[in-house]
Amino acid sequence: EAGVAQSPRYKIIEKRQSVAFWCNPISGHATLYWYQQILGQGPKLLIQFQNNGVVDDSQLPKDRFSAERLKGVDSTLKIQPAKLEDSAVYLCASSFAQYYEQYFGPGTRLTVT
Amino acid sequence: KQEVTQIPAALSVPEGENLVLNCSFTDSAIYNLQWFRQDPGKGLTSLLLIQSSQREQTSGRLNASLDKSSGRSTLYIAASQPGDSATYLCAVRPVLSNQFYFGTGTSLTVIP
Repeated sequence: EAGVAQSPRYKIIEKRQSVAFWCNPISGHATLYWYQQILGQGPKLLIQFQNNGVVDDSQLPKDRFSAERLKGVDSTLKIQPAKLEDSAVYLCASSFAQYYEQYFGPGTRLTVT
Repeated sequence: KQEVTQIPAALSVPEGENLVLNCSFTDSAIYNLQWFRQDPGKGLTSLLLIQSSQREQTSGRLNASLDKSSGRSTLYIAASQPGDSATYLCAVRPVLSNQFYFGTGTSLTVIP
């Protein structure tokens, strides 16, 4: 079974630029999560989708972050404009349904200079 | 708000030793708890998921226990190996919440 795929793996941008990350969940998984992991901290949930609907985006900085999951499969997370404090690893995870075991992708390491 | 703490932040043991990693959480009303492993520069690998109705789960050399009333979980690793070196994270899903709350992890080094 293929795991959660993410791209790119690494990205370096200057502050005020925009960036987008892509995630392809495990086939058949209805729930998709985006997390932000700052160095030395545990992951923090940014947004959760159930199929193509948003379940929870209470910790998403909506003035600069946006995410979508068209057709209930792939998802993209965008940051526009980026700030220095957005430097982190962005992790995508999926699960069969809410409250089921989560499976994580390799993450995208973002450096904002 | 649920807070998750993992102590110690770092642990170094000689190969072959049995060890215990600790996870504590402030709100005992949880749906489940999941232990993960994270290798440097990599994503998280799920190790064990314990439902709130369970007391423990086992997979190979790993055993995770859950005591909801005291807000604690432990991950027991038997006969540690250098390949076990990684950061171990626990995550708690509170009841009626969509979120997983993560601890900051325990960095384990197993010395050959």
